[in-house]
Amino acid sequence: EVQLVESGGGLVQPGGSLRLSCAASGFNFNVYWMSWVRQAPGKGLEWVANIGRDGSEKYFVDSVKGRFTISRDNARNSLYLQMNSLRAEDTAVYYCARENWSCQDHWGQGTLVTVSS
Amino acid sequence: QSALTQPPSVSGSPGQSVTISCTGTSSDVGTYNRVSWYQQPPGTAPKVMIYGVNNRPSGVPDRFSGSKSGNTASLTISGLQAEDEADYYCSSYTSSKIVIFGGGTKLTVL
Repeated sequence: EVQLVESGGGLVQPGGSLRLSCAASGFNFNVYWMSWVRQAPGKGLEWVANIGRDGSEKYFVDSVKGRFTISRDNARNSLYLQMNSLRAEDTAVYYCARENWSCQDHWGQGTLVTVSS
Repeated sequence: QSALTQPPSVSGSPGQSVTISCTGTSSDVGTYNRVSWYQQPPGTAPKVMIYGVNNRPSGVPDRFSGSKSGNTASLTISGLQAEDEADYYCSSYTSSKIVIFGGGTKLTVL
């Protein structure tokens, strides 16, 4: 059974940093692209970033370019999202998702990031 | 890149059919057959219902179907059931090599 478990969310001040982690199990992690998708409270889904199988390809939505980085450790079956210079508008539930031909075919339960003073 | 355009809400009675549209551009929906649809009941993570425009993952009822014409993709739910009540989102791959989502559609089963 595919399982994705996010961690690392919490309350952070504007301008601060946070690192999210996603532990994957139940599938061959290193043959899949992985992505992060977020959902602000009461709002819709927003794709944030994805990373290729070996970590050499990475893409980001314009609103986080230069502030967020995505990485993976295939030996640990883990995905990460380093978030710097956080803004109030980054407040959201962040989902880790397995990506298959641009489809997020499995999702974690999400971790809440709140940016507030 | 702008979000795909979906109607904010649709509704139907049990047993009826409803269709949710998802309009993009020639830089996304119109060019790529990488359109997916997700169902999200309140307080839960999204679940993929359709991928690659018209493919159903195993376990998704065949009451759910997808199609595409030009820059607009559609999700049709036939034989509507109370359990189908949820938010639905479309997504598409784009020429910028990113994925964009629609704004979401709230389906109400009357």
